[in-house]
Amino acid sequence: EAGVAQSPRYKIIEKRQSVAFWCNPISGHATLYWYQQILGQGPKLLIQFQNNGVVDDSQLPKDRFSAERLKGVDSTLKIQPAKLEDSAVYLCASSLLGGFTDTQYFGPGTRLTVL
Amino acid sequence: GQQLNQSPQSMFIQEGEDVSMNCTSSSIFNTWLWYKQDPGEGPVLLIALYKAGELTSNGRLTAQFGITRKDSFLNISASIPSDVGIYFCAGRENTGTASKLTFGTGTRLQVTL
Repeated sequence: EAGVAQSPRYKIIEKRQSVAFWCNPISGHATLYWYQQILGQGPKLLIQFQNNGVVDDSQLPKDRFSAERLKGVDSTLKIQPAKLEDSAVYLCASSLLGGFTDTQYFGPGTRLTVL
Repeated sequence: GQQLNQSPQSMFIQEGEDVSMNCTSSSIFNTWLWYKQDPGEGPVLLIALYKAGELTSNGRLTAQFGITRKDSFLNISASIPSDVGIYFCAGRENTGTASKLTFGTGTRLQVTL
């Protein structure tokens, strides 16, 4: 079974530029998550989708971050404009239903460096 | 946002030694999870705990869900070189339709031969 796919794996941009990350979850998984992992810290949830609807975006900086999950499958996370403090690994995860005992499977992440 | 406190921050041990790490929170969680993250990869689930007081094993790994629901520990017995990595605890709270994970600060494990 294929895992969670993410691209690109690495991205370097200058501050104030825009960037987008793509995630393809495990086939059949209804729930998709985006996490931000700053160096030396654990992942922090940015947004959770159930199919193509948002169920939790309370920690998403909505003035510069946006995410969508068209057709309930792939998802993109965008930052516009980027700041230095956005340098981090952006992890995508998916789970079958998002329920109490569901396991979240993580992709390899996209490492973003903002100069 | 909240991050759970893990200790120790890092450990250097010899192959064959046992390892113990723990995680504490100011909040109560319904579920405690332990993940391992290798360089350049996403976290991988090791053990999930669903009830206060629960003790669960997975091979050489043993984890417990604290009675207060505010802490958990992970033990690794007879460590081997492939145990190297960063171990994260995570607490899960179910809020309506959302199932939110809050991660710890991580324990970096180094194993010497």
